[in-house]
Amino acid sequence: EVQLVESGGGLVQPGGSLRLSCAASGFTLSAFYMSWVRQAPGKGLEWVSVTNSGGTTDYADSVKGRFTISRDNSKNTLYLQMNSLRVEDTAVYYCVADQNVWGQGTLVTVSS
Amino acid sequence: QSALTQPASVSGSPGQSITISCTGTSSDVGSWNLVSWYQQHPGSVPKLILYEGTQRPSGLSTRFSGSKSGNTAFLTISELQAEDEADYYCCSYTRSGTFVFGTGTKVTVL
Repeated sequence: EVQLVESGGGLVQPGGSLRLSCAASGFTLSAFYMSWVRQAPGKGLEWVSVTNSGGTTDYADSVKGRFTISRDNSKNTLYLQMNSLRVEDTAVYYCVADQNVWGQGTLVTVSS
Repeated sequence: QSALTQPASVSGSPGQSITISCTGTSSDVGSWNLVSWYQQHPGSVPKLILYEGTQRPSGLSTRFSGSKSGNTAFLTISELQAEDEADYYCCSYTRSGTFVFGTGTKVTVL
């Protein structure tokens, strides 16, 4: 079964850091476009970052310079390193494979 | 990276057709046919219903169709059913190599 499972969310203070993980099963993560998408409570979807099979990465302006997307092919896992977190980064973060396969999401809450 | 513009809400009666617009710019929607559409029921994960503007994932209902004119993409839901009541989002690839979502549309089945 094709599946993505996120982890690493939680409560963090403004200015803090978190690393989200997304473990893939049933397919080889490295062969696909992998994205992070977030959704603030009661709000719409916001694209955050993408990495393609060649390793190229891109980021939304709102997170550029603070977030880093990466993958460990040996672990079939995608990561999102989030630094200098702000209150407005509070959201459910989804890992997405090739637009079609979504994880269940992990909640990140930035609050003092 | 401004969000694509969608109507906040669209409604229709069972059996009717409705169309949701998604307006961007020549740097995203207008550049190529790389708009996707997602359906999200309350409390659920978004689900891909169209990609590359008009393509349906395997097994998806043919009641969902897509089109484009200039910088605006459209999602049409025909033969509206109660289960279609959900939020719908468009998403486009951009010339910058990034993606941008629409503002979202709440579909109500009367």
